[in-house]
Amino acid sequence: KQEVTQIPAALSVPEGENLVLNCSFTDSAIYNLQWFRQDPGKGLTSLLLIQSSQREQTSGRLNASLDKSSGRSTLYIAASQPGDSATYLCAVSGLVFGKGTKLTVNP
Amino acid sequence: EAQVTQNPRYLITVTGKKLTVTCSQNMNHEYMSWYRQDPGLGLRQIYYSMNVEVTDKGDVPEGYKVSRKEKRNFPLILESPSPNQTSLYFCASSLRDFLYNEQFFGPGTRLTVL
Repeated sequence: KQEVTQIPAALSVPEGENLVLNCSFTDSAIYNLQWFRQDPGKGLTSLLLIQSSQREQTSGRLNASLDKSSGRSTLYIAASQPGDSATYLCAVSGLVFGKGTKLTVNP
Repeated sequence: EAQVTQNPRYLITVTGKKLTVTCSQNMNHEYMSWYRQDPGLGLRQIYYSMNVEVTDKGDVPEGYKVSRKEKRNFPLILESPSPNQTSLYFCASSLRDFLYNEQFFGPGTRLTVL
């Protein structure tokens, strides 16, 4: 059974710092991996989708990578801003979600 | 604007009183699904639908019903709600199946069952 883990559960950084969020999965036979952000009391906003055949995707200051062999995906956020503060979730094959990393970017 | 909408956004009800949470998408997506999100448990799929009149159980379907009579709508029905169904519910859709396509989520419905 696929399990998805996101460590750490919470992360606090100063504004301007580059940071990496991690997503690990146990079964490398995946179809895709999607990263979301969730603001308090709000829905999930899709950030990036990486198909199984791809190694990375980029959107603005965000870059997501996928390494199926090691069961890992990372979300790189460049030059973090207070507006990036949210919980970031990853989902494997559209079905199994991690519990998220709560990111706080301090001004 | 392309979006998934849910109503109501907040609902407090009592045990046993039937309720329906509506979900609608305007992107002509074939696939729709319902999730619940609970602290410490994350997001879990309740039901999904691959197209009109095609629905199937997810991981936690007990106590829920769904229907897909129109492509754009996918209501979630709780015929006899119980306190353990207190949760944050999300509807999602994607162009076709979730295995290959990006999922888009609604804003959520916070349900409290007393």
